[in-house]
Amino acid sequence: KAGVTQTPRYLIKTRGQQVTLSCSPISGHRSVSWYQQTPGQGLQFLFEYFSETQRNKGNFPGRFSGRQFSNSRSEMNVSTLELGDSALYLCASSLDLLYNEQFFGPGTRLTVL
Amino acid sequence: DAKTTQPNSMESNEEEPVHLPCNHSTISGTDYIHWYRQLPSQGPEYVIHGLTSNVNNRMASLAIAEDRKSSTLILHRATLRDAAVYYCILRQIYITQGGSEKLVFGKGMKLTVNP
Repeated sequence: KAGVTQTPRYLIKTRGQQVTLSCSPISGHRSVSWYQQTPGQGLQFLFEYFSETQRNKGNFPGRFSGRQFSNSRSEMNVSTLELGDSALYLCASSLDLLYNEQFFGPGTRLTVL
Repeated sequence: DAKTTQPNSMESNEEEPVHLPCNHSTISGTDYIHWYRQLPSQGPEYVIHGLTSNVNNRMASLAIAEDRKSSTLILHRATLRDAAVYYCILRQIYITQGGSEKLVFGKGMKLTVNP
């Protein structure tokens, strides 16, 4: 069974631009969560989606948004990019809501210049 | 959010047991304790989880203090492949509106395994 896939794997943007990152969960998995990983702050929760609905949200500004499609694939969008948004963005899927184990993808490395 | 505290790093020798400590003094009654590990250039990987009782699986054991303010991940025989950053995490469950959750990661602890 294929793992969680994230595209693109690497991305370079400039300040003020917007970016969309994509996540395809493991087949059959219905819950998707997003995390931001930086050297200074570590791993921080962004959002959780299930059945196309945002179930939970972390403490990030409104520039960070996401959505989930009917096939469970998810996208996250960051508008008006800032230098501090440079990070590894990780997507994780789990079989169902409140399932014990999350499976992480390899991440998208975003660099903002 | 409740937080976890871990040492920045630990070293162990191959084929010896290693105990990875974690403090979570502000844990709430419904928070689960999860451990994930992250190898270089990879996303985190689930290791084990528990609520109140000690837990064992094929990868590791988790010992939870009676007051739940600390826990210890035990790798019974460390191998070179166990070298990673280990995260002690509180999994916060929200039952309202059908349920939701979020993982609150600590800073993580780098485990080095010496051959």
